[in-house]
Amino acid sequence: LAKTTQPISMDSYEGQEVNITCSHNNIATNDYITWYQQFPSQGPRFIIQGYKTKVTNEVASLFIPADRKSSTLSLPRVSLSDTAVYYCLVKGSGNTGKLIFGQGTTLQVKP
Amino acid sequence: DSGVTQTPKHLITATGQRVTLRCSPRSGDLSVYWYQQSLDQGLQFLIQYYNGEERAKGNILERFSAQQFPDLHSELNLSSLELGDSALYFCASSVGIAGEDNEQFFGPGTRLTVL
Repeated sequence: LAKTTQPISMDSYEGQEVNITCSHNNIATNDYITWYQQFPSQGPRFIIQGYKTKVTNEVASLFIPADRKSSTLSLPRVSLSDTAVYYCLVKGSGNTGKLIFGQGTTLQVKP
Repeated sequence: DSGVTQTPKHLITATGQRVTLRCSPRSGDLSVYWYQQSLDQGLQFLIQYYNGEERAKGNILERFSAQQFPDLHSELNLSSLELGDSALYFCASSVGIAGEDNEQFFGPGTRLTVL
């Protein structure tokens, strides 16, 4: 049974780099790991997705080690508007197609 | 605006009742997903449809059912409602199958309150 673990909360200051790690075991071997951002009373919004190694887009980077038992979302130079809840999303192993969200990490960015 | 629409935005009902939540995916998206978000359970995957067929099932109760229609819109039916069913229900859509390099686009959600 796939299981995910994320820190419940993190604090940072504007301009700093923030790294949020999600531990996930028993995930599907051939599927992507995805991260979402959610603001209060809104639906989650896609940030980045990766299969292995490192992926970078205009807002974040995602690091996935070879064993794929964890993934780290990196937000460079955060601003106050990055205060939100961040979730990892994986697919469980065993061809069930079951999707599993992490518990979410509440990031508080301070001025 | 993600392009995914959900109706109604808010729903207040009583225990034992039945409700239907509706979702229209983004134009061109074939997959529809339903999620439940409550304070104590976080985001829970309920069910996924792809082009009208059930594709994957999560922690969906037997009192809940869903379907995707030929025009690709989807409905989530919740029956014999209990207080614990009060939650935000999100619909999401994607072009293909989640996890296969397909990001999901989430709707604004339907807030269900069971009194």
